[in-house]
Formats: sequence, C-alpha cells, structure tokens
Amino acid sequence: EVQLVESGGGLVKPGGSLRLSCVASGFTFSDSSMNWVRLAPGKGLEWVSSISSTSNSIYYADSVKGRFTISRDNAKNSLFLQMNSLRDEDTAVYYCARDDYSDYLSIYFYYMAVWGNGTTVTVSS
Amino acid sequence: DIQMTQSPSFLSASVGDRVIITCRASQTITRHLNWYQQKPGKAPNVLIYAASSLQSGVPSRFSGTGSGTDFTLTISSLQPEDFASYYCQQSYSTPLTFGGGTRVESK
Repeated sequence: EVQLVESGGGLVKPGGSLRLSCVASGFTFSDSSMNWVRLAPGKGLEWVSSISSTSNSIYYADSVKGRFTISRDNAKNSLFLQMNSLRDEDTAVYYCARDDYSDYLSIYFYYMAVWGNGTTVTVSS
Repeated sequence: DIQMTQSPSFLSASVGDRVIITCRASQTITRHLNWYQQKPGKAPNVLIYAASSLQSGVPSRFSGTGSGTDFTLTISSLQPEDFASYYCQQSYSTPLTFGGGTRVESK
C-alpha cells in the first residue's frame, strides 16, 4: 500500500524549533519529488516547500524562506522539514505529498497525488 | 508569483445539483492546473490534473475544463459525499499556489 506518515508536530513557543518527518512506503521514494503543504486554522491550503528526488532542486514559499529547511534521506525513505524561528502564523496541519506527473508531448504536468494524514504544529506562548 | 482566484468561496447546494467552481490565474499557466477535494480532518485528494484529466478512482461526475488563465471544476450531480472544500492549484511555476478554496455545503 502506498503510504506517507508524518510525525514530529507539537506545541512550541514562538521562536522555537521543530523537525517534521515523513516516512514513505509502498513506492520507490528515491524516484519521487516531494512537497510540504500546510493548512492553517480557518485558512486554505498553502504550499510550503518542494524537493526533487535527488535533492538537486529545492524551493520554498516566501513565508518560510530562511526559517525552514527541507531535506530527504532516500536510504531511509524519509522526508524532513526543519522549522526554526517559528511564528504564531506557522500554526497549521502540515502534510507531506508526493508529486506525480503526466507526460504529454514532452510537457510534464505535475500534481500532488499521494498525501499523508498530516501532523499538527501549534505555535503559542 | 502567480495568484489563483477561486470563486465562489462558499456554495450552498442540494444533492443532485450541478455545481461549477471557477479558478482564474493571474497569468497564463497553460494547462498546469489541478483540483483537490478536502474533507474536514482529512488529507486533500487530487480529483483533476492537467486541467482536465480525471485522476484514477475519481467518479466521472467530476470534470475539469480550461486553459490559459480560466478554469472550471464541474460536479455534474452532487452526491452526499461531495460536501467538502475544493481547491485549485497551479503547477506551472514555483512558488506553487492554491486558490483560496470553495466550501460546498448542504442547502
């Protein structure tokens, strides 16, 4: 069964740090680019960060750039999000998601096809 | 950054209704547009990718159209399990961006 399982969420004070993990199973993790997406209370989905299969390409939302670091360990089928200098507005459920793509005339259309169940991060004093 | 504007943000409908949700990009994204469904407490689930391709396992009452800047998601006959939030997302360029969401509730 294809599965993503996140962990590492919790309650942290503003300015604190957390490290989220996402363990993959049921597919070849090392072939897949991965994402972190969050859902804040009362808000919509927000993309946070992406990493290519070999970690060669990494991207961040402006809202987390310089504070969050995405990484992966393909030998352990694991994706990570190191979150530093946390703010109240980082409070959210954080999901990891696998990219799939369709290829039409050598144009690649990417979409997030597999999602974990999420881990909750609460930033509060 | 590409802004995605989704409308309506809230929709009240009955079982059997035809539901249309629209999404507009601030610049052309060709067909790099995906639609997701999310139910409370659950992870999002992709319905449509590349503007009009139905994800495997998704009922055929869901369909997507559009290209360039204007896109629609149509539910041909709303079912009880379709009451949820829906989001469009562009995958044309980073930063990846989602629309603000459409919450479909029972009338």
